[in-house]
Amino acid sequence: KAGVTQTPRYLIKTRGQQVTLSCSPISGHRSVSWYQQTPGQGLQFLFEYFSETQRNKGNFPGRFSGRQFSNSRSEMNVSTLELGDSALYLCASSLAGTMNTEAFFGQGTRLTVV
Amino acid sequence: KNQVEQSPQSLIILEGKNCTLQCNYTVSPFSNLRWYKQDTGRGPVSLTIMTFSENTKSNGRYTATLDADTKQSSLHITASQLSDSASYICVVHSNDMRFGAGTRLTVKP
Repeated sequence: KAGVTQTPRYLIKTRGQQVTLSCSPISGHRSVSWYQQTPGQGLQFLFEYFSETQRNKGNFPGRFSGRQFSNSRSEMNVSTLELGDSALYLCASSLAGTMNTEAFFGQGTRLTVV
Repeated sequence: KNQVEQSPQSLIILEGKNCTLQCNYTVSPFSNLRWYKQDTGRGPVSLTIMTFSENTKSNGRYTATLDADTKQSSLHITASQLSDSASYICVVHSNDMRFGAGTRLTVKP
């Protein structure tokens, strides 16, 4: 079956702009979680959605937001982009949440802010 | 201070050799510990998942150990292959997910 699909794969934005990233989970999975990965900070948890509800949130500013649709697809939005937002953004899908079921990662969206 | 510390930061070994990666954590409460392999430019792939009561778990040439008393885990790779070159990330699940910085393994022919 198809894996986790993230679009776009690469993105270049200017400071101050906003960006929306998309994640389509594995069919049947109801949980989607988002992560930011940078060389300096490593992987950091952003938030997790389950059945359209945000279930957990990491320590990121309010500029980072997300949502999940009824078909479990999820979007992540970053407003007022800063240079430090340049990173690989990964999403992972799981059957019932990453705490208790295995997480399958997408290939990520590489965001560059100039 | 990161609550999940991995060592070494990087490692270079020859093809066919064994190696062991370490993960020490202070995260509490503890739900489970996972090792992921991440190839350059790709998302992480789960290797093992260990709960509090499990001491050892194997996945092919990968064997993970967990000592919940000392809060230490290790990932042992046997008979390394060139395709093992990747970053290996230790993740501790608590109320959320806490990530180690990873160990960058390079296997040379």
